[in-house]
Amino acid sequence: AQRVTQPEKLLSVFKGAPVELKCNYSYSGSPELFWYVQYSRQRLQLLLRHISRESIKGFTADLNKGETSFHLKKPFAQEEDSAMYYCALITGANNLFFGTGTRLTVIP
Amino acid sequence: DGGITQSPKYLFRKEGQNVTLSCEQNLNHDAMYWYRQDPGQGLRLIYYSQIVNDFQKGDIAEGYSVSREKKESFPLTVTSAQKNPTAFYLCASSITGANTGELFFGEGSRLTVL
Repeated sequence: AQRVTQPEKLLSVFKGAPVELKCNYSYSGSPELFWYVQYSRQRLQLLLRHISRESIKGFTADLNKGETSFHLKKPFAQEEDSAMYYCALITGANNLFFGTGTRLTVIP
Repeated sequence: DGGITQSPKYLFRKEGQNVTLSCEQNLNHDAMYWYRQDPGQGLRLIYYSQIVNDFQKGDIAEGYSVSREKKESFPLTVTSAQKNPTAFYLCASSITGANTGELFFGEGSRLTVL
């Protein structure tokens, strides 16, 4: 069975500090992973997908199959990064299996 | 504002009553999904539908039912058999045929059982 683990429910960092949101997965197939974000009073939306190898809003995430991880990183946190972040694994036919989420707070 | 529309935003129900949550989309997406969001548990898939007149159970389908008579609509009924129905419910849609992983979400419906 698949599993997506986000060990930190809450994470606080100061503005300008680096931030890393952890995500580990367990999946028997070939993993495709995603990060979703929900800003205050906004809808849950896709932030980035590992297959695109893109940087969105300064965030990057690298899939490490050896460590079964897909951590989300940003070198310098901004106040507008404060949000709820979910790591997700696709399990087939665009079905996403989500982790429990990490609430990031960036302290001014 | 196009996209996914869920209604009502807030709903109260007495124990033993069924309640139906509405989800409509104008994105011309074939696939639609229902997730349940509980604090500390993330999002869990209830039901999904890849095409009209077809739907599949997700991870926590017990106590729920759906229909997909129209492409635009995917209502969710929370039945009296659902043991713990108080939760936040999210509807989403996506393009099928491409595992992009991109789901478009509604604003959600919060159901409270009194």
